[in-house]
Amino acid sequence: EAGVAQSPRYKIIEKRQSVAFWCNPISGHATLYWYQQILGQGPKLLIQFQNNGVVDDSQLPKDRFSAERLKGVDSTLKIQPAKLEDSAVYLCASTTGGLNTEAFFGQGTRLTVV
Amino acid sequence: GQQVMQIPQYQHVQEGEDFTTYCNSSTTLSNIQWYKQRPGGHPVFLIQLVKSGEVKKQKRLTFQFGEAKKNSSLHITATQTTDVGTYFCAGPPRNTGFQKLVFGTGTRLLVSP
Repeated sequence: EAGVAQSPRYKIIEKRQSVAFWCNPISGHATLYWYQQILGQGPKLLIQFQNNGVVDDSQLPKDRFSAERLKGVDSTLKIQPAKLEDSAVYLCASTTGGLNTEAFFGQGTRLTVV
Repeated sequence: GQQVMQIPQYQHVQEGEDFTTYCNSSTTLSNIQWYKQRPGGHPVFLIQLVKSGEVKKQKRLTFQFGEAKKNSSLHITATQTTDVGTYFCAGPPRNTGFQKLVFGTGTRLLVSP
């Protein structure tokens, strides 16, 4: 079974530039999460999709971050404009959906803003 | 919002010693999951507990879910160098209706041979 795919693996941009991350969850997984993990901290939930609908985006900085999941499969997370404090690993995870299901994580995208 | 704290933040043990990390949520959870993240890697699912007071074992690892479903613990007996990594608990608040996975602050374990 193929895992969660993310790209790119690494990205370096200057502050105020824009960047986009892509995630392809495990086939058939209804729930998709985007997390931000700053070095030395736990993953922080940014947004959660159930199929192509948003069920939680309470921690997403909506003035600069946006995410979509068209057709309920792939998802993209965008930052525009980036700030220095956005430097982190962005993790995508998926589950089959519903309660009591384990999350499968992608390798993550390491973003450095200079 | 929901906060999940773990203690200790960091622990360094000699191989063969035991290790315990504690997880405390500010809200009652519907279930608790534990993940392990190796240095440079991504979180990998270890186990899930659902019932109040539940205890589960995986070889040298023992997991416990508190009676009030607000705390949990992970105990490793006789640590090995392969246990190195950061251990996270995660759980959705009760009655959210969906699996909102809020992660704890993590406990980083270092094991010296």
